[in-house]
Amino acid sequence: EVQLVESGGGLVQPGRSLRLSCEASGFSFDDYAMHWVRQAPGKGLEWVSGLTWNSVNMGYADSVKGRFTISRDNAKNSLYLQMNSLRPEDMALYYCAKAGDGGNEFDYWGQGTLVTVSS
Amino acid sequence: EIVLTQSPATLSLSPGERATLSCRASQSVSSYLAWYQQKPGQAPRLLIYDASNRATGIPARFSGSGSGTDFTLTISSLEPEDFAVYYCQQCSNWPPEYSFGQGTKLEIK
Repeated sequence: EVQLVESGGGLVQPGRSLRLSCEASGFSFDDYAMHWVRQAPGKGLEWVSGLTWNSVNMGYADSVKGRFTISRDNAKNSLYLQMNSLRPEDMALYYCAKAGDGGNEFDYWGQGTLVTVSS
Repeated sequence: EIVLTQSPATLSLSPGERATLSCRASQSVSSYLAWYQQKPGQAPRLLIYDASNRATGIPARFSGSGSGTDFTLTISSLEPEDFAVYYCQQCSNWPPEYSFGQGTKLEIK
């Protein structure tokens, strides 16, 4: 059974940093691209960042480019999101999502970790 | 940046009725279009990928169609558990960029 478990969320002041983690199990982690998707309270889904299996290719939403960094450790079956210079508009539930076999969709999702940005 | 526009924003139907949800892309996404269902307090669930392929375990009453810029998700006969928010999502592969529509809320009439 595929499982994705996010951690690292919490309350942080504007301008500070936070690092999210996602621990994966139940599939060959190093065969798949992985992504972060967020959802602000009461709002829709927003893709944040994605990373190929070998960490060679990555992408970011314009809203986080230059502030967030995605990475992975295939030996630990883990995905990370380093979030710097956090803004109130970054407040959201952050989901870790596994790419599907075609690479164009997200076939499994974690339950999310909540990031609150407030002074 | 490719923008996805979903319509209607809210759809009010009764169990047993047919639901038709639309997603329009600002430029062609070929067939790289997926649909998700999200219920309150839950993570999204993949329903359809590559415009018309049902994901594992998804009932046959869910179907997707379209290509290029216009896509449709059809639920042939609504079950009580189908009332939720539905999102479409596209992928443009280089550089990797993904985007979601704003969602359609399917509510019980």
